[in-house]
Amino acid sequence: GQSLEQPSEVTAVEGAIVQINCTYQTSGFYGLSWYQQHDGGAPTFLSYNALDGLEETGRFSSFLSRSDSYGYLLLQELQMKDSASYFCAVIRGGFKTIFGAGTRLFVKA
Amino acid sequence: DTGVSQDPRHKITKRGQNVTFRCDPISEHNRLYWYRQTLGQGPEFLTYFQNEAQLEKSRLLSDRFSAERPKGSFSTLEIQRTEQGDSAMYLCASSAPREGHEQYFGPGTRLTVT
Repeated sequence: GQSLEQPSEVTAVEGAIVQINCTYQTSGFYGLSWYQQHDGGAPTFLSYNALDGLEETGRFSSFLSRSDSYGYLLLQELQMKDSASYFCAVIRGGFKTIFGAGTRLFVKA
Repeated sequence: DTGVSQDPRHKITKRGQNVTFRCDPISEHNRLYWYRQTLGQGPEFLTYFQNEAQLEKSRLLSDRFSAERPKGSFSTLEIQRTEQGDSAMYLCASSAPREGHEQYFGPGTRLTVT
C-alpha cells in the first residue's frame, strides 16, 4: 500500500521558522512535492524534490531523504499570510500523485 | 487564476441524479488529473490522463464514476446515481509534459447531494 504522514496542525509566531515533516511509504517513488492551500482556495505548487537534499525557493525550502522516506518543508520569516494548509504529495511513476492529509499552519502575531 | 477552469463551480443535486463536471486545462498541458477533496483532508486521487488516454483510475472509485478526455483537451467527470457520500469538492489539475510534479489546479466544483 501507500501512506503519507504529516502533523495535523502546527502553530508558530510571525517572523519565526517552522518545519513541516512528511514521512511516506509507497512503491514506485519518483519524488516529493509540496502544495499550499488557503481556506476556500485551490492547492498551489510550492516545491519539489526528486533527489536527496535541500531545494530553496525564496522563503520556502524543501528537503528529501529517499533512504529515510522522509521530507520536510521549511518556511522562514513567517508571515500572517502563510497561515494555510500544507500538503506533501508523493509523485509515482507516470506522475500519479498521492497527497497527504495536510498540515494546518497557524501563524500568530 | 492558474489558467485551469472548471464548470460549474457549485452543483446541488438530489440523491440518485447524474451530474457531469467539466475541466479546461492550460492549453499546452498534456496531463490532466481529477481529485476529490473533503473538509480537512488532502486531495484524493481519482483518475488522470495523458492526452486523451486515461492512464489510471482509483480502485476506490465505484463504477458510478467515469471520466473522459475525448480530444486531449477538456475533460468531463460524470457521477451516476449520486449518493450523499459523493458530496465533496472535485478538483481538476493539469501539468506540462515531463512536469507532473508541478500541477496547476482549477478552482474546483463543489458538489452537494441532498
